[in-house]
Amino acid sequence: AQRVTQPEKLLSVFKGAPVELKCNYSYSGSPELFWYVQYSRQRLQLLLRHISRESIKGFTADLNKGETSFHLKKPFAQEEDSAMYYCALSTFTFSGNTGKLIFGQGTTLQVKP
Amino acid sequence: DAGVTQSPTHLIKTRGQQVTLRCSPISGHKSVSWYQQVLGQGPQFIFQYYEKEERGRGNFPDRFSARQFPNYSSELNVNALLLGDSALYLCASTVANSYEQYFGPGTRLTVT
Repeated sequence: AQRVTQPEKLLSVFKGAPVELKCNYSYSGSPELFWYVQYSRQRLQLLLRHISRESIKGFTADLNKGETSFHLKKPFAQEEDSAMYYCALSTFTFSGNTGKLIFGQGTTLQVKP
Repeated sequence: DAGVTQSPTHLIKTRGQQVTLRCSPISGHKSVSWYQQVLGQGPQFIFQYYEKEERGRGNFPDRFSARQFPNYSSELNVNALLLGDSALYLCASTVANSYEQYFGPGTRLTVT
């Protein structure tokens, strides 16, 4: 079964504290994983993709195939990081330009001053 | 480019009615996908269209249908509305041979 699990609905931390948003997946193929973020009153936007191994706004995420995890981390949280975060698995294939994103239920990150 | 646009922004319908939601992709994007997001949950895949052909369908009843036009814009139709269809409907577009999807602001549908 194809599934993405985000075990925490809400994560509340103080400014400057480290953050780790958990994501586990179930997929039989080679996964393409993403983190999307939705700030208040804004549209869903891509934050990170695992294939690029980049750091955006101080966030990083490492794919661990052994643990089937793709946790999102940031060493020092900022108040502007407060948002809803979604982990997503892509089933797209280039051959047919077909596929979909499978989303987790999302985690609300609340960064307190 | 304004990004992916959707209309209307909000919609209130009565049970049993029909609704049509519209989406315009980013210029140059030929693939459009539709997702339903119920309050408190992540988006759920409904349809994907590429070059005006349906390429994927999620686990939704036949009351849900969609189409893509020659200019790559798309419509999502829902017939015989149920209270449970109340949700935010998201449209996303993708350039060919890419995994990255760009989302629109969504249409908030309320069924009373």
